[in-house]
Amino acid sequence: GAGVSQSPRYKVAKRGQDVALRCDPISGHVSLFWYQQALGQGPEFLTYFQNEAQLDKSGLPSDRFFAERPEGSVSTLKIQRTQQEDSAVYLCASSEWTSGGYEQYFGPGTRLTVT
Amino acid sequence: AQKVTQAQTEISVVEKEDVTLDCVYETRDTTYYLFWYKQPPSGELVFLIRRNSFDEQNEISGRYSWNFQKSTSSFNFTITASQVVDSAVYFCALTSMDTGRRALTFGSGTRLQVQP
Repeated sequence: GAGVSQSPRYKVAKRGQDVALRCDPISGHVSLFWYQQALGQGPEFLTYFQNEAQLDKSGLPSDRFFAERPEGSVSTLKIQRTQQEDSAVYLCASSEWTSGGYEQYFGPGTRLTVT
Repeated sequence: AQKVTQAQTEISVVEKEDVTLDCVYETRDTTYYLFWYKQPPSGELVFLIRRNSFDEQNEISGRYSWNFQKSTSSFNFTITASQVVDSAVYFCALTSMDTGRRALTFGSGTRLQVQP
Protein backbone atom coordinates (compact mmCIF):
# COMPACT_ATOMS: atom_id res chain seq x y z
CA GLY A 1 0.00 0.00 0.00
CA ALA A 2 0.97 3.63 -0.37
CA GLY A 3 0.67 4.65 3.28
CA VAL A 4 1.72 3.51 6.71
CA SER A 5 -0.30 0.55 7.90
CA GLN A 6 -0.79 -0.71 11.42
CA SER A 7 -2.30 -3.84 12.85
CA PRO A 8 -4.41 -4.64 14.65
CA ARG A 9 -6.55 -1.53 14.49
CA TYR A 10 -8.16 -2.40 17.82
CA LYS A 11 -6.87 -4.52 20.65
CA VAL A 12 -8.51 -5.37 23.94
CA ALA A 13 -6.23 -6.90 26.54
CA LYS A 14 -6.80 -8.00 30.07
CA ARG A 15 -4.53 -6.43 32.61
CA GLY A 16 -1.33 -8.39 32.82
CA GLN A 17 -1.40 -9.69 29.25
CA ASP A 18 1.35 -9.02 26.74
CA VAL A 19 0.49 -7.32 23.44
CA ALA A 20 2.35 -6.79 20.16
CA LEU A 21 1.50 -3.97 17.77
CA ARG A 22 2.75 -3.99 14.20
CA CYS A 23 3.72 -1.15 11.89
CA ASP A 24 4.45 -1.33 8.17
CA PRO A 25 6.08 1.93 7.09
CA ILE A 26 6.02 3.50 3.66
CA SER A 27 8.37 1.58 1.40
CA GLY A 28 11.82 3.14 1.36
CA HIS A 29 11.32 5.27 4.44
CA VAL A 30 14.39 5.06 6.60
CA SER A 31 13.00 6.58 9.78
CA LEU A 32 10.24 5.07 11.89
CA PHE A 33 8.61 6.50 14.99
CA TRP A 34 6.17 5.31 17.62
CA TYR A 35 3.90 7.68 19.51
CA GLN A 36 1.29 7.20 22.21
CA GLN A 37 -1.88 9.30 22.11
CA ALA A 38 -4.09 9.39 25.18
CA LEU A 39 -7.70 10.43 24.77
CA GLY A 40 -8.02 14.16 24.15
CA GLN A 41 -4.26 14.71 24.06
CA GLY A 42 -1.58 15.21 21.46
CA PRO A 43 0.67 12.31 20.49
CA GLU A 44 3.67 11.74 22.72
CA PHE A 45 6.93 10.33 21.42
CA LEU A 46 7.94 6.83 22.44
CA THR A 47 10.85 5.73 20.27
CA TYR A 48 12.66 6.26 16.96
CA PHE A 49 14.47 3.97 14.51
CA GLN A 50 16.77 4.78 11.67
CA ASN A 51 16.82 1.64 9.60
CA GLU A 52 17.22 -1.16 12.17
CA ALA A 53 18.97 0.99 14.75
CA GLN A 54 16.94 2.30 17.65
CA LEU A 55 18.44 5.75 18.06
CA ASP A 56 16.11 7.19 20.66
CA LYS A 57 13.97 5.36 23.18
CA SER A 58 13.75 8.16 25.68
CA GLY A 59 9.95 8.28 25.51
CA LEU A 60 9.28 4.68 26.50
CA PRO A 61 7.40 5.01 29.80
CA SER A 62 8.74 1.87 31.45
CA ASP A 63 10.77 -1.26 30.84
CA ARG A 64 7.52 -3.03 30.01
CA PHE A 65 7.65 -1.29 26.64
CA PHE A 66 9.94 -2.68 23.98
CA ALA A 67 10.24 -1.91 20.27
CA GLU A 68 12.19 -3.53 17.48
CA ARG A 69 12.77 -3.18 13.75
CA PRO A 70 15.10 -6.06 12.98
CA GLU A 71 15.33 -5.70 9.20
CA GLY A 72 14.87 -1.97 8.95
CA SER A 73 11.35 -2.23 7.64
CA VAL A 74 8.45 -3.56 9.73
CA SER A 75 8.46 -2.62 13.38
CA THR A 76 6.79 -4.13 16.41
CA LEU A 77 5.95 -2.40 19.66
CA LYS A 78 5.54 -4.84 22.50
CA ILE A 79 3.99 -4.08 25.85
CA GLN A 80 4.45 -6.62 28.59
CA ARG A 81 2.14 -7.07 31.57
CA THR A 82 -0.28 -4.41 30.35
CA GLN A 83 -1.74 -1.96 32.83
CA GLN A 84 -4.86 0.17 32.57
CA GLU A 85 -2.77 3.29 32.10
CA ASP A 86 -1.43 1.76 28.88
CA SER A 87 -4.85 2.27 27.26
CA ALA A 88 -4.28 4.68 24.40
CA VAL A 89 -3.91 4.90 20.65
CA TYR A 90 -0.46 3.88 19.48
CA LEU A 91 0.60 5.70 16.33
CA CYS A 92 3.38 4.73 13.98
CA ALA A 93 4.96 7.20 11.58
CA SER A 94 7.65 6.99 8.94
CA SER A 95 9.71 9.52 7.06
CA GLU A 96 12.41 9.80 4.48
CA TRP A 97 15.84 10.66 5.69
CA THR A 98 16.64 14.11 4.44
CA SER A 99 19.38 16.45 5.44
CA GLY A 100 17.10 19.27 6.33
CA GLY A 101 13.71 18.67 7.72
CA TYR A 102 11.17 16.08 6.91
CA GLU A 103 7.53 15.30 7.50
CA GLN A 104 6.35 12.21 9.27
CA TYR A 105 3.52 10.23 7.71
CA PHE A 106 1.26 8.56 10.22
CA GLY A 107 -0.63 5.31 10.17
CA PRO A 108 -4.22 4.94 11.40
CA GLY A 109 -3.10 3.80 14.84
CA THR A 110 -3.88 0.87 17.09
CA ARG A 111 -6.40 1.57 19.82
CA LEU A 112 -5.41 -0.45 22.87
CA THR A 113 -7.91 -0.92 25.67
CA VAL A 114 -6.73 -2.65 28.83
CA THR A 115 -9.53 -3.99 30.99
CA ALA B 1 13.12 21.37 26.69
CA GLN B 2 10.65 22.00 23.92
CA LYS B 3 7.03 22.88 24.38
CA VAL B 4 4.09 23.61 22.11
CA THR B 5 1.00 25.37 23.45
CA GLN B 6 -2.35 25.43 21.73
CA ALA B 7 -4.45 27.47 24.11
CA GLN B 8 -7.71 27.00 22.22
CA THR B 9 -9.16 23.68 23.22
CA GLU B 10 -12.22 23.90 21.02
CA ILE B 11 -13.53 26.34 18.44
CA SER B 12 -16.95 26.31 16.84
CA VAL B 13 -17.73 28.34 13.74
CA VAL B 14 -20.43 28.48 11.12
CA GLU B 15 -19.59 27.45 7.60
CA LYS B 16 -17.89 30.15 5.51
CA GLU B 17 -16.47 31.92 8.53
CA ASP B 18 -12.72 32.42 8.75
CA VAL B 19 -10.98 30.85 11.73
CA THR B 20 -7.47 31.10 13.16
CA LEU B 21 -5.85 28.40 15.23
CA ASP B 22 -3.10 29.61 17.53
CA CYS B 23 0.21 27.89 18.22
CA VAL B 24 2.96 29.13 20.51
CA TYR B 25 6.19 27.22 20.92
CA GLU B 26 9.24 27.19 23.16
CA THR B 27 12.67 25.98 22.18
CA ARG B 28 16.27 26.89 22.84
CA ASP B 29 17.36 25.64 19.45
CA THR B 30 18.29 27.92 16.61
CA THR B 31 17.33 25.44 13.92
CA TYR B 32 13.98 23.77 14.16
CA TYR B 33 10.93 22.83 12.15
CA LEU B 34 7.29 23.54 12.83
CA PHE B 35 4.39 21.48 11.52
CA TRP B 36 0.63 21.42 11.40
CA TYR B 37 -1.28 18.15 11.27
CA LYS B 38 -5.00 17.50 10.91
CA GLN B 39 -6.70 14.59 12.69
CA PRO B 40 -10.19 13.97 11.31
CA PRO B 41 -12.67 11.72 13.13
CA SER B 42 -11.16 8.71 11.36
CA GLY B 43 -8.10 9.24 13.55
CA GLU B 44 -5.25 9.34 11.04
CA LEU B 45 -2.94 12.33 11.33
CA VAL B 46 -2.62 14.16 8.03
CA PHE B 47 0.38 16.35 7.33
CA LEU B 48 -0.50 19.91 6.30
CA ILE B 49 2.66 22.01 6.34
CA ARG B 50 6.29 22.16 7.43
CA ARG B 51 8.18 25.36 8.11
CA ASN B 52 11.83 25.80 9.10
CA SER B 53 13.04 28.36 11.59
CA PHE B 54 14.89 30.41 8.98
CA ASP B 55 11.92 30.92 6.73
CA GLU B 56 9.43 33.40 8.11
CA GLN B 57 7.65 33.89 4.83
CA ASN B 58 3.95 33.30 5.21
CA GLU B 59 2.44 30.57 3.10
CA ILE B 60 -0.91 30.16 1.47
CA SER B 61 -2.33 26.95 0.08
CA GLY B 62 -5.86 27.30 -1.18
CA ARG B 63 -8.07 28.19 1.80
CA TYR B 64 -5.23 27.54 4.25
CA SER B 65 -2.61 30.05 5.32
CA TRP B 66 0.10 30.06 7.92
CA ASN B 67 1.70 32.96 9.77
CA PHE B 68 5.10 32.27 11.30
CA GLN B 69 6.47 34.96 13.62
CA LYS B 70 9.75 34.14 15.27
CA SER B 71 9.61 37.27 17.42
CA THR B 72 6.55 35.97 19.21
CA SER B 73 7.34 32.26 18.81
CA SER B 74 4.04 31.72 17.08
CA PHE B 75 2.95 29.68 14.09
CA ASN B 76 -0.73 30.36 13.55
CA PHE B 77 -2.99 28.65 11.04
CA THR B 78 -5.94 30.32 9.33
CA ILE B 79 -8.71 28.62 7.41
CA THR B 80 -10.61 30.97 5.14
CA ALA B 81 -14.24 30.31 4.29
CA SER B 82 -14.40 27.24 6.50
CA GLN B 83 -16.27 24.14 5.38
CA VAL B 84 -17.86 21.27 7.28
CA VAL B 85 -15.07 18.99 6.02
CA ASP B 86 -12.60 21.11 7.96
CA SER B 87 -14.04 19.75 11.20
CA ALA B 88 -11.19 17.93 12.92
CA VAL B 89 -8.58 18.24 15.62
CA TYR B 90 -5.57 20.25 14.52
CA PHE B 91 -2.14 19.77 16.03
CA CYS B 92 0.88 22.03 15.93
CA ALA B 93 4.23 20.28 16.38
CA LEU B 94 7.93 21.11 16.70
CA THR B 95 11.16 19.25 16.08
CA SER B 96 14.75 20.17 16.74
CA MET B 97 17.50 20.06 14.16
CA ASP B 98 20.27 21.22 16.49
CA THR B 99 20.33 18.10 18.62
CA GLY B 100 19.43 15.68 15.90
CA ARG B 101 16.55 14.43 17.95
CA ARG B 102 13.89 13.64 15.40
CA ALA B 103 10.87 13.29 17.67
CA LEU B 104 7.95 15.62 17.15
CA THR B 105 6.70 17.53 20.18
CA PHE B 106 2.98 18.09 19.78
CA GLY B 107 0.60 20.56 21.31
CA SER B 108 -2.59 19.32 22.91
CA GLY B 109 -4.62 20.14 19.83
CA THR B 110 -7.53 22.39 18.92
CA ARG B 111 -10.85 20.79 18.04
CA LEU B 112 -12.54 22.72 15.24
CA GLN B 113 -16.23 22.23 14.64
CA VAL B 114 -17.69 23.81 11.53
CA GLN B 115 -21.46 23.95 11.64
CA PRO B 116 -23.46 23.97 8.39
